[in-house]
Amino acid sequence: DGGITQSPKYLFRKEGQNVTLSCEQNLNHDAMYWYRQDPGQGLRLIYYSQIVNDFQKGDIAEGYSVSREKKESFPLTVTSAQKNPTAFYLCASHPITGGKGFFNQPQHFGDGTRLSIL
Amino acid sequence: GESVGLHLPTLSVQEGDNSIINCAYSNSASDYFIWYKQESGKGPQFIIDIRSNMDKRQGQRVTVLLNKTVKHLSLQIAATQPGDSAVYFCADSNPRKGQNFVFGPGTRLSVLP
Repeated sequence: DGGITQSPKYLFRKEGQNVTLSCEQNLNHDAMYWYRQDPGQGLRLIYYSQIVNDFQKGDIAEGYSVSREKKESFPLTVTSAQKNPTAFYLCASHPITGGKGFFNQPQHFGDGTRLSIL
Repeated sequence: GESVGLHLPTLSVQEGDNSIINCAYSNSASDYFIWYKQESGKGPQFIIDIRSNMDKRQGQRVTVLLNKTVKHLSLQIAATQPGDSAVYFCADSNPRKGQNFVFGPGTRLSVLP
């Protein structure tokens, strides 16, 4: 079955520590996204990527970093500079058809990683 | 979708009744809209989408209505079932202008037996 796999499901971060959230997809999708979800709020865009070795900042990129070394993988690092990292993190993807770029198709989401501070 | 703060609206319906979930968006330039369903501890699932050149679109047991004049979107679920219990939220974008999706906080739907 094709899909998006996020791991781990739960993650705990100590003060001053960087942690990396994994996102892997076998859907052959070009575009991948990272969102942050806080209780009672809408999803907020952290980073997104269209092709390998290229990515753009979203609305709340500060304190986060990403890489896109392979089409199927888009890991997110939550750095120690992110002072309020406790949230539910969602990875998403979709194909890019007709050269139309981003935000024009439904996104397929993984089941998220819940990050908490120890 | 608009942010309405930390309190998530709740809708309770009797099993078998129809549900109507509403969403307001703020950007009059938005021209693509999506409804998602999110169950507890899971990622959102796509339900239905609509583009601004349409007012209504139907799927299986679901209908989305778009009123661009008042910037309002609604999701109608026919014959609501227990498996429909979840948080539903809308998202809007303007892909041609590179406007990314703006997600609403959602409405929690509870289906009563």
